[in-house]
Amino acid sequence: QVQLQESGPGLVKPSETLSLTCSVSGGSISSSSYYWGWIRQSPGKGLEWIGNVYYSGHTYYSPSLQSRLTISVDTSRNQFSLKLSSVTATDTAVYYCARKGSPCSGGVCYDAFEVWGQGTMVTVSS
Amino acid sequence: DIQVTQSPDSLSASVGGRVTITCRASQDINYYLNWYQQRPGQAPKLLIYAASTLQSGVPSRFSGSGSGTDFTLTISSLQPEDFATYHCQQSFGRAVTFGQGTRLEIK
Repeated sequence: QVQLQESGPGLVKPSETLSLTCSVSGGSISSSSYYWGWIRQSPGKGLEWIGNVYYSGHTYYSPSLQSRLTISVDTSRNQFSLKLSSVTATDTAVYYCARKGSPCSGGVCYDAFEVWGQGTMVTVSS
Repeated sequence: DIQVTQSPDSLSASVGGRVTITCRASQDINYYLNWYQQRPGQAPKLLIYAASTLQSGVPSRFSGSGSGTDFTLTISSLQPEDFATYHCQQSFGRAVTFGQGTRLEIK
């Protein structure tokens, strides 16, 4: 059974770069069936999608974050990573990594985040 | 971006009761609507995809309906473990978006 685990600093200074890694176990990140994504949740707020990456390195990002965002994949380590530059206090959140699958119903396949990591809290503060 | 709005923001109900949560999209998203459950201190868990298809292992007291712009999540015969926050998410566009969440509390 696939499991995801986020890792990285819990405290980042304003204007610096937030860097997180998601380690995948129990399955291969190189599967052609999945994208791998990042989602965050600010304290007391809803979920915000950040971006996704495919094992080939293909990415797509939230339009509101794409100017500061890089998501990459390391298939040799079965990991994918997030880098968010020029952070401010508004980037304080729990960051989740997740596997995006395409379960099918009635012959049509629909994207959904099927497996999630436990999340890691990142605080932006000096 | 496609916006999704949930209502209500919060509600309370009793064990054994029935609740309905609504999600409205800003444009027609066909059946591209998912529901997640998030218990306190935990990651979200996929409950329903394609508006009405239960993810494997999800109890049958959960049901989803709707298409186009209006969707509902219904939980019948509420159990103590069902008191959580529920999120809807549209997957029609590449830029997915979530609703603001609905917190379900015990009355």
